[in-house]
Amino acid sequence: GAVVSQHPSRVICKSGTSVKIECRSLDFQATTMFWYRQFPKKSLMLMATSNEGSKATYEQGVEKDKFLINHASLTLSTLTVTSAHPEDSSFYICSVGAHTDTQYFGPGTRLTVL
Amino acid sequence: AQKITQTQPGMFVQEKEAVTLDCTYDTSDPSYGLFWYKQPSSGEMIFLIYQGSYDQQNATEGRYSLNFQKARKSANLVISASQLGDSAMYFCAMRAPSGSARQLTFGSGTQLTVLP
Repeated sequence: GAVVSQHPSRVICKSGTSVKIECRSLDFQATTMFWYRQFPKKSLMLMATSNEGSKATYEQGVEKDKFLINHASLTLSTLTVTSAHPEDSSFYICSVGAHTDTQYFGPGTRLTVL
Repeated sequence: AQKITQTQPGMFVQEKEAVTLDCTYDTSDPSYGLFWYKQPSSGEMIFLIYQGSYDQQNATEGRYSLNFQKARKSANLVISASQLGDSAMYFCAMRAPSGSARQLTFGSGTQLTVLP
């Protein structure tokens, strides 16, 4: 399956700052990547679909100006949490859709906003 | 709309025994895919097994098998010969209808604890 990395794995920031999370597909050219958010002991919630070379598609209720997604190449998608607040603290995880229907996930990024 | 239901928030199993994790789904689309993922405490999502809606046989991957009962809309995961390392959260997921960029809908998860 596809190998996916995320950076950073953990970030702590002050309220009001912006945080960028990178998702890289290491062995597969991904035209589409997905960003999920997960609260403790909860399921994954799809935030947006990242499309290479075009605008991301956001799920209902997800603020596109708050969560900026850029998919500039076939191997890199970035999620920027702008003006982060404590309620943005969560586990963010990306995935890549491989040749089959299977999605392969990155290791996730744990964001803590103080 | 798609829906995945996992009714077991937590399960316990003795080491070396088999365990079944339940998953039911709801979709009106005739073409769909069902997945199981394992999430250990580290947070990574590990793909375990896949079943396509048109697959005639139940999927198997090593100690994992998927008990696919299409008429009942269930896709239970069976783990044989449980190991301590199997302790984790397990999620059932379904692919959205074809043409929708392969989005996944996840169930609420089942926390499996393997007892020594």
